[in-house]
Amino acid sequence: DVKVTQSSRYLVKRTGEKVFLECVQDMDHENMFWYRQDPGLGLRLIYFSYDVKMKEKGDIPEGYSVSREKKERFSLILESASTNQTSMYLCASSSTGPSQPQHFGDGTRLSIL
Amino acid sequence: GQQLNQSPQSMFIQEGEDVSMNCTSSSIFNTWLWYKQDPGEGPVLLIALYKAGELTSNGRLTAQFGITRKDSFLNISASIPSDVGIYFCAGYTGANSKLTFGKGITLSVRP
Repeated sequence: DVKVTQSSRYLVKRTGEKVFLECVQDMDHENMFWYRQDPGLGLRLIYFSYDVKMKEKGDIPEGYSVSREKKERFSLILESASTNQTSMYLCASSSTGPSQPQHFGDGTRLSIL
Repeated sequence: GQQLNQSPQSMFIQEGEDVSMNCTSSSIFNTWLWYKQDPGEGPVLLIALYKAGELTSNGRLTAQFGITRKDSFLNISASIPSDVGIYFCAGYTGANSKLTFGKGITLSVRP
C-alpha cells in the first residue's frame, strides 16, 4: 500500500512565523502535491512537483513556497504565516503516467494565531 | 475551468439503507476517481474508473463511469455506521490535465 506521511497532525503557530510542513512518500512516486481544504471550498491545489527540484504553481500559490530536494520528500513553506492560512493541509503523491490516482496523507490541521 | 458538481452537500440515511451519489460535469472526463474522507483524516481512494460504461465494485461500493463521460455514480449498499464521512469524486479530462475534485458529499448514517 502507498504510504504518504505528513510530519504533524496538528500545528499551532503565530502570525508572521515561517512554517514548514513536511511530507514523505514511500512508493517512489514522481509526482507530489500540496492542497488546502476549507469548508465549502473543497480541495484547492497550492503547488505540485513532477520531479526532484521541480515545482509548479497550482491554483492558490500566493503566500506559499515548496521544496523538493529528494524524490520522497515534498515540503510546503509558509513564508510569513497569516491567520487566513489556518486550514487543513493535505499532501498527495502519484506515479508518472496519464490519469494516475493520487494518494493522500492524513493531513495537517494548521492554526495560525 | 473544469468543475465537478456533487449535490446535495449532505445526506442522511438509516443504517441498512442503500445510497446513491452522482458527480456531474459539463466537460468530458477520461478518468473518474471516488475518495472517502473520514473525520480528521485524509481522503482514501475507493474506486478508479478508466473507461466509459465501466462498472467497478469494492465490497459494498459500486461505481460507474457514465457513458456520456460527463458523469459518474457511486452506490453504497446496506450502509453501516462506519460509512459516515465525506465522499469526493475526482477526475482527469486528459492525459496531462490536473486532477479536478468535487466539493464532496457528507454522509451521515443513523443507527
